Amino acid sequence: KQEVTQIPAALSVPEGENLVLNCSFTDSAIYNLQWFRQDPGKGLTSLLLIQSSQREQTSGRLNASLDKSSGRSTLYIAASQPGDSATYLCAVPDTGRRALTFGSGTRLQVQP
Amino acid sequence: NAGVTQTPKFRVLKTGQSMTLLCAQDMNHEYMYWYRQDPGMGLRLIHYSVGEGTTAKGEVPDGYNVSRLKKQNFLLGLESAAPSQTSVYFCASSSSGNTIYFGEGSWLTVV
Repeated sequence: KQEVTQIPAALSVPEGENLVLNCSFTDSAIYNLQWFRQDPGKGLTSLLLIQSSQREQTSGRLNASLDKSSGRSTLYIAASQPGDSATYLCAVPDTGRRALTFGSGTRLQVQP
Repeated sequence: NAGVTQTPKFRVLKTGQSMTLLCAQDMNHEYMYWYRQDPGMGLRLIHYSVGEGTTAKGEVPDGYNVSRLKKQNFLLGLESAAPSQTSVYFCASSSSGNTIYFGEGSWLTVV
């Protein structure tokens, strides 16, 4: 059974700081990994999708890396802004099911 | 661009009552999912469907039933609601191997 862990569970940083969110998964036989953002009281929005053949994917100030062999992914946020405050979740395909297994998320607060 | 639409958004039920959550997607996606989200536990898969007329159990299926009679709709039913089913329910859809799209969520309280 695939298990996904995210560290830290919560993070508070001052505006402008660069930060890294971590995601680890137990079964490395994945074909992609996704990072999502969730605002309070809202659904999830996909930020980045990394295919297993890729090592990283970039979108604006966000950069996600994937190391399948070690079962790890990181989400790097450059020059953080208060508008980045949200919960960030990573997810990988569930072994044996055509669905995603999610981590519990990292709740990010960027202080102005 | 409707994307994934869930109804209702909020509902309060008494223990033992039944209800159905409706999910509709307009992206012609084959795959549809129902997740529940509880504090500190992330999202857990309840049931999913890989195409019209098919359904399969996820991680926490007990107490729920689903149907996918039309490709664009995925219904989640609670036959006899229990307080343990108080949660936020999310529907999602995707095409194979690609980005998954979520609805805005349905807040259900069972008293």
